[in-house]
Order: sequence, then structure tokens, then C-alpha cells
Amino acid sequence: DIQMTQSPSAMAASVGDRVTITCRASQDISNSLIWFQQTPGKVPKRLIYATSTLQSGVPSRFSGSGSGTEFTLTISSLQPEDFANYYCLQHKNYPYSFGQGTKLEIK
Amino acid sequence: EVQLVESGGGLVQPGGSLRLSCAASGFTFSDYYMDWVRQAPGKGLEWVGRIRNKANSYTTEYAASVKGRFVISRDDSKNSLYVQTNSLKTEDTAVYYCVRVPLDVWGKGTTVIVSS
Repeated sequence: DIQMTQSPSAMAASVGDRVTITCRASQDISNSLIWFQQTPGKVPKRLIYATSTLQSGVPSRFSGSGSGTEFTLTISSLQPEDFANYYCLQHKNYPYSFGQGTKLEIK
Repeated sequence: EVQLVESGGGLVQPGGSLRLSCAASGFTFSDYYMDWVRQAPGKGLEWVGRIRNKANSYTTEYAASVKGRFVISRDDSKNSLYVQTNSLKTEDTAVYYCVRVPLDVWGKGTTVIVSS
């Protein structure tokens, strides 16, 4: 099974900061990676799919990159509504697997 | 409006069973693969399993943690997705989400609590 290691598990940042979250796969998953955002008490929301394709309606300050085993989610200029939990998911092989999540908090 | 609405959650004793349902609307349900994803209290997301569409023989995939205990099914005539959860363990306590593949539409979830 493919293991997804997400880092950091938590971080604090300020409005306007540039933030990067990383997911590493235990084996090559090509570009089969999705990023989700979940605010407390809410349903997860797909942000980026196929590693770097922005979901319709998602602000352009979000971007994704990577391939193979290393992937990043970048938020270019944090906004108050971006403080949330972020998860990556590999869908290259079954069983699919999520990263353990990154809690992004306000500094 | 595309919508998924789960139901059937509740409190069940260890070793018990529950059948969760998901009613889909606003899209051609029969065309899509469907997933279940769960989230234990205060924890991250866990992919539970998938059912493919009729064109792919309604075949299924499962996470190792539920394989042999959970069975995912669907009724396209009712636009509904199901998961029969058997031999429940305390670690199955979670919010269970019904999700349209490619994981772009999520229901609000139904809560399963396994406790004596």
C-alpha cells in the first residue's frame, strides 16, 4: 500500500504569508494527487486535482506542483479564510490513502 | 443542484451492524463511481471504499481496515449508495461521507458511534 507523509502536521502563519505544505508518497504516484481543504465543522472541499489543476472557483493564490513522490500545495498570500486543515490524497493505487493532514493556524 | 445526503448513522454496540445510505440528486448518478470516506473524531480523513458503475460491473474496492466487514452497494434506480457495516469496532466511530468520484462532491456526512 502507498503511504502518504504530509508535512508539517501543523503550522502557524500570518495573513499575507506564503505557505507551502508537502506530501511525500512512498512510491511513484505520477500526478495522481488531490488536495483538500477542510475548515472546522465543515465538509472537505477539493482544491486541486491531478497535482496542479485548480478546482473551479478556487482562488488563484492556491497552486499545486510535483510529480512522482513529492508534491506541494502553495498558498501565495494567506487570507483569513485559508486557516483550515489541508489533506492530500493519492489515487494512483488502491487502497487510496490520505496524508495525515496539516493544520494551518493564525500566528 | 448536485447533492448527496447521507443517513443511517447512530449508536451501535461493538460487534453490531449498521447500513448507511446516501441519496444523490442533481446529476446522473448511474454514470459515476462513488466512494465512502470517513473521519474519526478529531482525526484526519480515511478512504473507506469505492463502487464502480454498471459499465464497470459495479465492482468494489476497500481499505484494508474494513475489508471483509463492510460491503458497498448501490441502487441506480433509486439514485442511492449504501454501505453495510458489520462487526463494528470502536475504531469505526467516525463521520461517514458519501463522495462522488472524482471526489468533487461530498455529502455532509452521517455519524456512527460504536460504543458499549
